[in-house]
Amino acid sequence: GQNIDQPTEMTATEGAIVQINCTYQTSGFNGLFWYQQHAGEAPTFLSYNVLDGLEEKGRFSSFLSRSKGYSYLLLKELQMKDSASYLCAVRDLLGGGKLIFGQGTELSVKP
Amino acid sequence: EAGVTQFPSHSVIEKGQTVTLRCDPISGHDNLYWYRRVMGKEIKFLLHFVKESKQDESGMPNNRFLAERTGGTYSTLKVQPAELEDSGVYFCASSQDPGQGGYGYTFGSGTRLTVV
Repeated sequence: GQNIDQPTEMTATEGAIVQINCTYQTSGFNGLFWYQQHAGEAPTFLSYNVLDGLEEKGRFSSFLSRSKGYSYLLLKELQMKDSASYLCAVRDLLGGGKLIFGQGTELSVKP
Repeated sequence: EAGVTQFPSHSVIEKGQTVTLRCDPISGHDNLYWYRRVMGKEIKFLLHFVKESKQDESGMPNNRFLAERTGGTYSTLKVQPAELEDSGVYFCASSQDPGQGGYGYTFGSGTRLTVV
């Protein structure tokens, strides 16, 4: 079966660092994506990992361990505008590139 | 470039009625995907077009849902007749080359469908 788990909610303080974890069990794997989604808006691309290791992009970093079926998204120097839902998604190896999503983590950044 | 456009943004219909959702992908993107998020659940894949052909429709819930992409440009998703459990947000995404790299998917803002 296909299963992607991430925490439902997280709260953090402005200026702090937060780590959002994602574990996955999928029948195939062709990359893991993190998207940010503000309420009523389109999911927007944050990061992509297909090989093990850390990818850094400004205040956002994402880590992947394929052997453990594990990824995390690290957000540094949190800002109020980072309050959003963060979606972990695995691209299916077969099936034309469709994405399998986790439930999303609702992050609230407090002053 | 223009993004992925979906309309309507919201639709409220009565059970038993018909609704048609539309998605305009980024020009030149051959791959078009429909997803749905039911309240409290994860975003789930519905189907995938390559140009005008259905590549994968394994996620379509039942035969009340009909998707088309005539001419390989915009796509429509019709629900007929609508049931209460069809309520949710329907997302469309397009991609030029979905199998390569990490930058290939652009999502629309979704259509929020409420069936009462």
